[in-house]
Amino acid sequence: EDQVTQSPEALRLQEGESSSLNCSYTVSGLRGLFWYRQDPGKGPEFLFTLYSAGEEKEKERLKATLTKKESFLHITAPKPEDSATYLCAVPMASGSRLTFGEGTQLTVNP
Amino acid sequence: GAVVSQHPSWVICKSGTSVKIECRSLDFQATTMFWYRQFPKQSLMLMATSNEGSKATYEQGVEKDKFLINHASLTLSTLTVTSAHPEDSSFYICSARGYRGLGGYTFGSGTRLTVV
Repeated sequence: EDQVTQSPEALRLQEGESSSLNCSYTVSGLRGLFWYRQDPGKGPEFLFTLYSAGEEKEKERLKATLTKKESFLHITAPKPEDSATYLCAVPMASGSRLTFGEGTQLTVNP
Repeated sequence: GAVVSQHPSWVICKSGTSVKIECRSLDFQATTMFWYRQFPKQSLMLMATSNEGSKATYEQGVEKDKFLINHASLTLSTLTVTSAHPEDSSFYICSARGYRGLGGYTFGSGTRLTVV
């Protein structure tokens, strides 16, 4: 069964304190792993798509990496505006629907 | 980049009435649209998948007669919550995907429905 697990559930950081979020997945034939940012009361905002183990993508203070079993979202020197819930998702083996993890709620204190 | 517009952002309706939520892909043709429901502090829960011109496929436990989904064109899908009750109050989000995955999985901004 396709499964996506994110950890930790919540993370509090001080401004400038770098850390990583984890997304573990179990899916037959990965067809992409998606990272999204969601602010309260808003829809998910696309960040990255990774397709193969070893792939890395960067955007400002965020870098996403992918292995055969998990993905990491590294946040370097975060700022308070990086506070949000970060979601990862993979397309199910059957069909195109996404399976989401439960998300990591990140809070960056000034 | 791909843009999906969802309206309204929020709506308050009386119990027993129906409310329609629109989801439009602005710069690509959405062959597939997904409708999600999200409860506070929880992740997205898929309600249904619709392909343009076809009947929607509903997830187990989702009442198809209560949550009517129409995907009559390649740029518009609607979700109608019929005979709404307070327990239908939630955050509803649409997502669109184009032919061969064009547009990725682009999400609308969500609709906060409150039934009083």
